[in-house]
Amino acid sequence: QVQLQQSGPGLVKPSQTLSLTCAISGDRVSSNTAAWNWIRQSPSRGLEWLGRTYYRSKWYNDYAVSVKSRITINPDTSKNQFSLQLNSVTPEDTAVYYCARDGEYCSNGVCRLIIDYWGQGTLVTVSP
Amino acid sequence: DIQMTQSPSSLSASVGDRVTITCRASRSISNYLNWCQQKPGKAPKLLIYAASSLQSGVPSRFSGSGSGTEFTLTISSLQPEDFATYYCQQSDSIPWTFGQGTKVEIK
Repeated sequence: QVQLQQSGPGLVKPSQTLSLTCAISGDRVSSNTAAWNWIRQSPSRGLEWLGRTYYRSKWYNDYAVSVKSRITINPDTSKNQFSLQLNSVTPEDTAVYYCARDGEYCSNGVCRLIIDYWGQGTLVTVSP
Repeated sequence: DIQMTQSPSSLSASVGDRVTITCRASRSISNYLNWCQQKPGKAPKLLIYAASSLQSGVPSRFSGSGSGTEFTLTISSLQPEDFATYYCQQSDSIPWTFGQGTKVEIK
């Protein structure tokens, strides 16, 4: 059973950096059949995918265009976790942030990644 | 990006009712469509993947159908624990995108 445990501050000042960590149990961040996502949820934006990191002989990242200039997602193999950094935050970045796993599901020889496990969520408020 | 549109945005139903929620994609996504359930203050939970495959541990009263651009989630007999918000999500291409949600409330 995969479990994801989030940690990080719930209050960040405008223009500063939002930093969250997601500790993984039951899988490896360096798995060749998984990817590791950050997703946020707010009343105005709904569920918004921010980006992911994954390992396929080397490390890759995908980021949403809306945050691409401000976001970094890094794996930490020594601690089996991954992190989110979002720079230059504004009040519009106030949201519940989730980490989530893409697990590989195969049928009839076709394999796809599916978001199947989520962290507990962290409410991050951007305020002076 | 692929836009996902759900209908209705909310519905009221009674225990035992059959409930159907629709999700439409802005372009064809084959069967790369997933449904998840979210209860207040909790993370979403995967119910159905690949349009019609039931995730392990999910009750059989949940079912999904569709392909291309039109998809349906059906709850055959609504139970008290099913009152929640349901989201569709496409896994055809990055960026992953979600519908706006359908809130199922008690009538």
